[in-house]
Amino acid sequence: DAGVIQSPRHEVTEMGQEVTLRCKPISGHDYLFWYRQTMMRGLELLIYFNNNVPIDDSGMPEDRFSAKMPNASFSTLKIQPSEPRDSAVYFCASSPGKETSYEQYFGPGTRLTVT
Amino acid sequence: SQQGEEDPQALSIQEGENATMNCSYKTSINNLQWYRQNSGRGLVHLILIRSNEREKHSGRLRVTLDTSKKSSSLLITASRAADTASYFCATDRSGIQGAQKLVFGQGTRLTINP
Repeated sequence: DAGVIQSPRHEVTEMGQEVTLRCKPISGHDYLFWYRQTMMRGLELLIYFNNNVPIDDSGMPEDRFSAKMPNASFSTLKIQPSEPRDSAVYFCASSPGKETSYEQYFGPGTRLTVT
Repeated sequence: SQQGEEDPQALSIQEGENATMNCSYKTSINNLQWYRQNSGRGLVHLILIRSNEREKHSGRLRVTLDTSKKSSSLLITASRAADTASYFCATDRSGIQGAQKLVFGQGTRLTINP
């Protein structure tokens, strides 16, 4: 398996623009997570899905952020409009969700820079 | 809010020495996990220890868990240059089996000097 795939790997955009980050989880994994990592705040969980259904979005910073999972093999995280303080590395992770396997598998991340 | 807090924040040792990192947490947990992150990369799962376990081994890794003190330690024996990375503990606070929401600490930055 190729592991969790994220695109793009780097994104540079201007304030006010819409940004869409993409994730393909590992096939057969029931859970998908979106995280944001910054030096100041560390690794924060934004939202997670179970079987394509959003379970907890309490970490989404504000209405400018939205996430979807239209099917088991694809998810997007959208920021509209983007702001400089959104600059961070965004990680997608997936997990089998089975009783004997709670570990999460992380993608390589998308480094977002908003100028 | 942070659930896990790693200590120390940074650790620098010579190759071949053992490295010990600690993690403290605040609420009851189901599981505690340790992850490694190399610079510019995603996190990689190392080991999971359940709340009813006290010690677990995986290769050169040894993890202990003391639920009475709400703390865990990660020991890396015979360190190598390739072990240079940041190490994070993550706890699952949910009482719902399989809910899997993890809260990560700020990490320990480990540097192995050749």
